[in-house]
Amino acid sequence: AQTVTQSQPEMSVQEAETVTLSCTYDTSESDYYLFWYKQPPSRQMILVIRQEAYKQQNATENRFSVNFQKAAKSFSLKISDSQLGDAAMYFCAYRGDYGGSQGNLIFGKGTKLSVKP
Amino acid sequence: DTEVTQTPKHLVMGMTNKKSLKCEQHMGHRAMYWYKQKAKKPPELMFVYSYEKLSINESVPSRFSPECPNSSLLNLHLHALQPEDSALYLCASRDRGYNEQFFGPGTRLTVL
Repeated sequence: AQTVTQSQPEMSVQEAETVTLSCTYDTSESDYYLFWYKQPPSRQMILVIRQEAYKQQNATENRFSVNFQKAAKSFSLKISDSQLGDAAMYFCAYRGDYGGSQGNLIFGKGTKLSVKP
Repeated sequence: DTEVTQTPKHLVMGMTNKKSLKCEQHMGHRAMYWYKQKAKKPPELMFVYSYEKLSINESVPSRFSPECPNSSLLNLHLHALQPEDSALYLCASRDRGYNEQFFGPGTRLTVL
C-alpha cells in the first residue's frame, strides 16, 4: 500500500523568505502523480502544484516549485518570497496511475505553515 | 465554470434529525468524491462515484447515505448522526483528462 509522510507538523517562515516543506512517499508503482494542496483557514483545498512521475523536470508555479527525487521517493515544496497569504495547512498527496483507478488521493498528515510579518 | 460548490456552508443538527449536504459541479467531471475531515487532519475518503455509480464505499456507517442524481450533482444524506460525526465534509470532482481533484469549500457539520 502507498503511504505519504510529512515529517514537519509545523513550520514558520519570515515574510519574503524562502521555506521548504518535506514529503516522502512509498510506492511500488512506476507511474503516479504527486500534488501539493493548500488549505487556508477558510478551509477550501486548493491545488498548489502537481508533478507527473514520468517527468524528470521539476514542476514550478510562480513562487512555488518542487524538488522531485524519484529514486529517493521525495517530493518537497519550496515557497519563495513567502507572503502572509501563504499561511495555511499544506498537504502532500499521491495518486497512482494503475488501471481502474478512481483517482483516489493518499494524503500526508499535513504541515501547518505560519508566515511572520 | 471551474468550481465545485457545496451547500450549506454550516449545518447544526441533532442526533435525531435528517439532513442533506449538496455538492454541484458543472465542469463535466465524471468522478465525484465525499471526504470527511477532522480538525488538523487530512481528508478521509468516504465515497467515490464514477459515471454516477457508487464505486467505492470506505466502510462508512449507514447513517451516511450518498446519492448521485445526475452527473453534476452529489448529495450526502445524514440520519441519526453521532456527535463524533461533527467535521468538515468536503466534496471533490475529477475528470478523466485531469489528474487532480477539484475541491469544494466544504460544509462544517456540528452534531449536538
